[in-house]
Amino acid sequence: SAVISQKPSRDICQRGTSLTIQCQVDSQVTMMFWYRQQPGQSLTLIATANQGSEATYESGFVIDKFPISRPNLTFSTLTVSNMSPEDSSIYLCSASPTGGVYGYTFGSGTRLTVV
Amino acid sequence: GQNIDQPTEMTATEGAIVQINCTYQTSGFNGLFWYQQHAGEAPTFLSYNVLDGLEEKGRFSSFLSRSKGYSYLLLKELQMKDSASYLCAVRDAGGATNKLIFGTGTLLAVQP
Repeated sequence: SAVISQKPSRDICQRGTSLTIQCQVDSQVTMMFWYRQQPGQSLTLIATANQGSEATYESGFVIDKFPISRPNLTFSTLTVSNMSPEDSSIYLCSASPTGGVYGYTFGSGTRLTVV
Repeated sequence: GQNIDQPTEMTATEGAIVQINCTYQTSGFNGLFWYQQHAGEAPTFLSYNVLDGLEEKGRFSSFLSRSKGYSYLLLKELQMKDSASYLCAVRDAGGATNKLIFGTGTLLAVQP
């Protein structure tokens, strides 16, 4: 299955600033996904990143707040814009299965704290 | 709409068997996944069911009933290292995204 490198692993940011999270996959994947996980909670899907087209956002998430790029089949970025303390969370990227493997793989996550 | 429910917490004893249930009501269905997540780590894939029935993989088994919107993960011969969160996820069949929607998650504590 694909291996995803996600960075940064953690960051502490000032409110009002933006942070861009990067995910690099070691093989070409059709779909990439971005999730948010609040402490002690499950994963909430933010958006699906399609190569060559705009990302598809879930209800409650908008492009102005969470712009996403997917320039090729192995890379994606998520930007958390104009941050507030409520954006403090873990952000994870995921890739759809490839090569006959069923499981979606995940990056190691970015722990974001906004102060 | 999407609704995927699991018990919030469970406790079990080392060496025992535990069953974690998941019920779902989703607008589309194209498979159900179980993931394990240790604190501070990324989720890791455990199992996948798309047809009704039981899938067995070592100490872990997963069952699916599509007509009932129900799945369970069965963990046998529990070990302390099995203490983790267990996440049920449904793959949405709608559109072309094949996105995974996660349930509420179950925090399992294995006690000596």
